Amino acid sequence: DSGVTQTPKHLITATGQRVTLRCSPRSGDLSVYWYQQSLDQGLQFLIQYYNGEERAKGNILERFSAQQFPDLHSELNLSSLELGDSALYFCASSVGPGGSYEQYFGPGTRLTVT
Amino acid sequence: GENVEQHPSTLSVQEGDSAVIKCTYSDSASNYFPWYKQELGKRPQLIIDIRSNVGEKKDQRIAVTLNKTAKHFSLHITETQPEDSAVYFCAASMDSNYQLIWGAGTKLIIKP
Repeated sequence: DSGVTQTPKHLITATGQRVTLRCSPRSGDLSVYWYQQSLDQGLQFLIQYYNGEERAKGNILERFSAQQFPDLHSELNLSSLELGDSALYFCASSVGPGGSYEQYFGPGTRLTVT
Repeated sequence: GENVEQHPSTLSVQEGDSAVIKCTYSDSASNYFPWYKQELGKRPQLIIDIRSNVGEKKDQRIAVTLNKTAKHFSLHITETQPEDSAVYFCAASMDSNYQLIWGAGTKLIIKP
């Protein structure tokens, strides 16, 4: 157990819908990262937050948005869902600047769009 | 920006043999190079990492080597076992943003 929690574990929804994925980082970690992993694919970096502020952006679609709240949990919002958005979404956390680089991954949320 | 290339994409070795996975990076400012292992259906987990002030690091059957001049680093697994079967990802990072730039992954298959 990495100490990073993600909910829900599984999500099945229809095209055009909107969903919210939730992540709680390890205690003491200030950075949160979101990744998308499609079937048999690599880790696509979406976005990074540090202490409530957006720090870096990767290949995140305009239909996707995220935020990190004052209690450091983070949410990834996916809207106007398409079949191609079906994937495993991982959240990871790390201490952040000045600390360890190591990223601890949550168990992931498997999103299926039908 | 930084780019990390990883080879091979699939590696099949006989149980007991050694496996080597290689990564190259583009930005000489990168100074941290981790390797993550992802078993089927599970989360990626750090297995070993190296900083740019060190040329080699070993942890039991796993070792990582770094060549800063050539900008490449490698993962070496000796005496491979069935539980080594997984996808391995390399990554690179630098102090400016703590963001990991990931390789595409290598699927390691251990044949009995």
